[in-house]
Amino acid sequence: GQQLNQSPQSMFIQEGEDVSMNCTSSSIFNTWLWYKQEPGEGPVLLIALYKAGELTSNGRLTAQFGITRKDSFLNISASIPSDVGIYFCAGQGDQGAQKLVFGQGTRLTINP
Amino acid sequence: ETGVTQSPTHLIKTRGQQVTLRCSSQSGHNTVSWYQQALGQGPQFIFQYYREEENGRGNFPPRFSGLQFPNYSSELNVNALELDDSALYLCASTHPRGGGGEQFFGPGTRLTVL
Repeated sequence: GQQLNQSPQSMFIQEGEDVSMNCTSSSIFNTWLWYKQEPGEGPVLLIALYKAGELTSNGRLTAQFGITRKDSFLNISASIPSDVGIYFCAGQGDQGAQKLVFGQGTRLTINP
Repeated sequence: ETGVTQSPTHLIKTRGQQVTLRCSSQSGHNTVSWYQQALGQGPQFIFQYYREEENGRGNFPPRFSGLQFPNYSSELNVNALELDDSALYLCASTHPRGGGGEQFFGPGTRLTVL
């Protein structure tokens, strides 16, 4: 099925470091979302972006909707142990069904 | 306000059997979407229900079917199970006045097909 290209696939960092991950697509999306998933749980919505160029923050998290509408990035500042998990980008392009297309995920591991 | 709930949490079936998974949407959310998440992958859209009718479908065969009830809860049915159907099945709901893509997920049902 259709997927977004998300990178990196995994990251191993020290506590306190900043993290950056991004997502690209060959298709235009109207909405970009970032989710976090922990073992045994469903994805939890972190940030939603609705306009090209939009920069939105949620605490230590900052995400941007690319100008071309084909990419997005997520930054996490001053990482802490509870940031561990898998981060997914998702794009919505269809006007009707609101189908989300997901990336493959970025697995974040933090060394204390 | 209760979030999205799903049942059962885990299920083991054998090839060829049929399964029904259930989802209760978040309070006030009238749209329900189902996703399949294989191990190590991102979720894949199966279909969406709005006002008790299918409102869009992903690249899944007809043996994947669903229902939505007047209280907005939903079922996912899979017939003639195959080994590749083993996955985490996620339900997500959307508020009618929410942003276009804001979907809120339940914890999922882990299906294992032997």
